[in-house]
Amino acid sequence: DAGVTQSPTHLIKTRGQQVTLRCSPKSGHDTVSWYQQALGQGPQFIFQYYEEEERQRGNFPDRFSGHQFPNYSSELNVNALLLGDSALYLCASRYWDRNQETQYFGPGTRLLVL
Amino acid sequence: GNSVTQMEGPVTLSEEAFLTINCTYTATGYPSLFWYVQYPGEGLQLLLKATKADDKGSNKGFEATYRKETTSFHLEKGSVQVSDSAVYFCALRGGSQGNLIFGKGTKLSVKP
Repeated sequence: DAGVTQSPTHLIKTRGQQVTLRCSPKSGHDTVSWYQQALGQGPQFIFQYYEEEERQRGNFPDRFSGHQFPNYSSELNVNALLLGDSALYLCASRYWDRNQETQYFGPGTRLLVL
Repeated sequence: GNSVTQMEGPVTLSEEAFLTINCTYTATGYPSLFWYVQYPGEGLQLLLKATKADDKGSNKGFEATYRKETTSFHLEKGSVQVSDSAVYFCALRGGSQGNLIFGKGTKLSVKP
């Protein structure tokens, strides 16, 4: 059973460009969350998708948007890139077991904005 | 609002030493608590969790006890190995549908 997968693994963009990152959750997981991890920091929650809708959002500007597809995979889009958007972007899918939730993380996409 | 505070690193230990990484939290209600580990160049892996007061999470020799009275969830291991070298993150989830809130992470280096 494949875990959470993300693509691409690395990406280099320039300021002002747009980027799309992709995530496929673990089999059987229907909820996807995105996190931004700046260098030397803990991950920060961007948003969560369930049933193809954004259900929760963290403190990120509208330049950050997303989408979830019927197969539960998800995309994160960032417009008008800033240098400060350089980070590791992590996707997590949610699993329920005996009424307890656990989030499983993918390996991340490392984005560098020049 | 909810928050997590971890002891600052880096922490450097010799192999077989005892490890403690402190974690305290601020939250309303009864959060679930987690420790995640991040090996170099990789994403996060769930190490252990506890969902209610006095629960003890354990995995791979690591353990942590949910202490509501001190709002703490300290990570411990009796004898660390070189392969435990990684960054450790304490996190909480405030509700059944809530997102994870992470501490800043503690880098552990274990020397042979």
